[in-house]
Amino acid sequence: SQQGEEDPQALSIQEGENATMNCSYKTSINNLQWYRQNSGRGLVHLILIRSNEREKHSGRLRVTLDTSKKSSSLLITASRAADTASYFCALRRRNAGNMLTFGGGTRLMVKP
Amino acid sequence: ETGVTQTPRHLVMGMTNKKSLKCEQHLGHNAMYWYKQSAKKPLELMFVYNFKEQTENNSVPSRFSPECPNSSHLFLHLHTLQPEDSALYLCASSQDFLGGEQPQHFGDGTRLSIL
Repeated sequence: SQQGEEDPQALSIQEGENATMNCSYKTSINNLQWYRQNSGRGLVHLILIRSNEREKHSGRLRVTLDTSKKSSSLLITASRAADTASYFCALRRRNAGNMLTFGGGTRLMVKP
Repeated sequence: ETGVTQTPRHLVMGMTNKKSLKCEQHLGHNAMYWYKQSAKKPLELMFVYNFKEQTENNSVPSRFSPECPNSSHLFLHLHTLQPEDSALYLCASSQDFLGGEQPQHFGDGTRLSIL
């Protein structure tokens, strides 16, 4: 598969807990990006990690990338009800311009 | 995020109708994209335009016809659609298509329902 596959498909946690979502893929990538989509809205870019990077932080977000295992994880710390959304990993494959291949997403629900 | 605007937000049409979806970006970008998002399926790239030229057509049926008159506007003309074409159609833009690390900026989509 040239797309990422997120795991789990759905995740329900309490406010304040951490949420971890995983993305596995099979192709060679230039970078991997995470996007969030609130219900009825478009996707919003969260963070990009290059293939030569292993970890990146942005506020409460932490992304890791293991190219040997072809997997990435997105950690949201101290979750809030407003983090309720679907989260997608997107692969930018080598020699594919700025074309992104999206996975099926993880639906995160954060209960207040 | 108001950089990419899509109209209409909702559209209901019959299979024999002709309609158009519009996308406008105010970000000064040169690449624009159409995606289809169906329930329980990953986001599917349909078309890519870079500097007004179509660079990708992801085997999309001819009943979908894109048009990019300038770098700020993108249209998707619809004709004789099928019920399975009901989906959320998302437009996105990025600085250009060949740049290495450019996030894509999405509009809020047009929810299309085919009767």
